[in-house]
Amino acid sequence: SQQGEEDPQALSIQEGENATMNCSYKTSINNLQWYRQNSGRGLVHLILIRSNEREKHSGRLRVTLDTSKKSSSLLITASRAADTASYFCATVWMNRDDKIIFGKGTRLHILP
Amino acid sequence: ETGVTQSPTHLIKTRGQQVTLRCSSQSGHNTVSWYQQALGQGPQFIFQYYREEENGRGNFPPRFSGLQFPNYSSELNVNALELDDSALYLCAGSLQGVSGNTIYFGEGSWLTVV
Repeated sequence: SQQGEEDPQALSIQEGENATMNCSYKTSINNLQWYRQNSGRGLVHLILIRSNEREKHSGRLRVTLDTSKKSSSLLITASRAADTASYFCATVWMNRDDKIIFGKGTRLHILP
Repeated sequence: ETGVTQSPTHLIKTRGQQVTLRCSSQSGHNTVSWYQQALGQGPQFIFQYYREEENGRGNFPPRFSGLQFPNYSSELNVNALELDDSALYLCAGSLQGVSGNTIYFGEGSWLTVV
């Protein structure tokens, strides 16, 4: 079964706009990670946020975590065509580091 | 460049056959995990190996088996292939015991069962 659920399932925006994706999860976590996957390729690690952190930035990426609501969001600012990909949140179960569970992903399409 | 390479990249098998997928992880990745990703879905955890022993398993039948070797390479074996086994199989290397460590994925092996 999948721990995380991303929302929306698909998102199309104009280049230059900001894209926001949300993730909800079910059980307690050590940390939450976001990954990107270009069509049919492997996953690329984007950012990790620990359970005691509320916000984290990396370049054009901003991730928030609300453990009381069991939710996280990924914001991509000033989107580019190269950001077109699927984005997955992944959670690590408590006391079971490295066993990461993925959601179904958000398919982001950046329109020129 | 993640330091994780998988082979083959694509293959086609017939229902009932057996398949072996291979993964090579860079030195230091003492943990390897395998995932199955069906089209349009997120990756599903198959199992994990740590120091050549299985260290956790997802909801997959025994016909999915694996091996990890001292040189950090790994194999995923699937017996009695079924049509639903058609998917992208991803291998991921990581360093066990490091909380919040990054997990590095290979590009995957596309398996089509006909």
